[in-house]
Amino acid sequence: EAQVTQNPRYLITVTGKKLTVTCSQNMNHEYMSWYRQDPGLGLRQIYYSMNVEVTDKGDVPEGYKVSRKEKRNFPLILESPSPNQTSLYFCASSRRTGGNEAFFGQGTRLTVV
Amino acid sequence: QQQVKQSPQSLIVQKGGISIINCAYENTAFDYFPWYQQFPGKGPALLIAIRPDVSEKKEGRFTISFNKSAKQFSLHIMDSQPGDSATYFCARSDSSYKLIFGSGTRLLVRP
Repeated sequence: EAQVTQNPRYLITVTGKKLTVTCSQNMNHEYMSWYRQDPGLGLRQIYYSMNVEVTDKGDVPEGYKVSRKEKRNFPLILESPSPNQTSLYFCASSRRTGGNEAFFGQGTRLTVV
Repeated sequence: QQQVKQSPQSLIVQKGGISIINCAYENTAFDYFPWYQQFPGKGPALLIAIRPDVSEKKEGRFTISFNKSAKQFSLHIMDSQPGDSATYFCARSDSSYKLIFGSGTRLLVRP
């Protein structure tokens, strides 16, 4: 089954404690991205990757890091989480041509206290 | 940043009614306008999409209408059903791979 898998689904952490949210896709997609979803703001792109070892900032990259060492995996790293990073996070993948369907993971609900 | 403005923020419709969600964009240099549907606890999933060389696309009860001159596009859900209750996002992209999403519309269809 074609899918994007994120882990964990829920996470509560304390300010400053480094965390990683994993994302893996099995569709051999070149393009992967991370979004955060906040009420009234829709989905905002954090980082994206066009292929292995190629990453770039999206619209709200501050406080986040990513890496793309393998085509299927695209982890999101919060080196020092803060309460304003409390949000619902989605990983997505698509083929590397414009106008293609993006496949989303189930989401990770992060709470930073 | 090029934005997509979506309205209304929330919508309540009776079963069998028509749900209409509108979006407006700022730049005509886009070639793909998808709508995503999101159920609680799930990630968004592609519902229907249109390219600006057509004015309308219909898939079952879902129709996208595109008005290039007004820089607007809308989603119509005919014969709305309680199972359609979800959050809907419009989006746009150009020749790059980036999607820019609207703020979302929470639709509730009452039985």
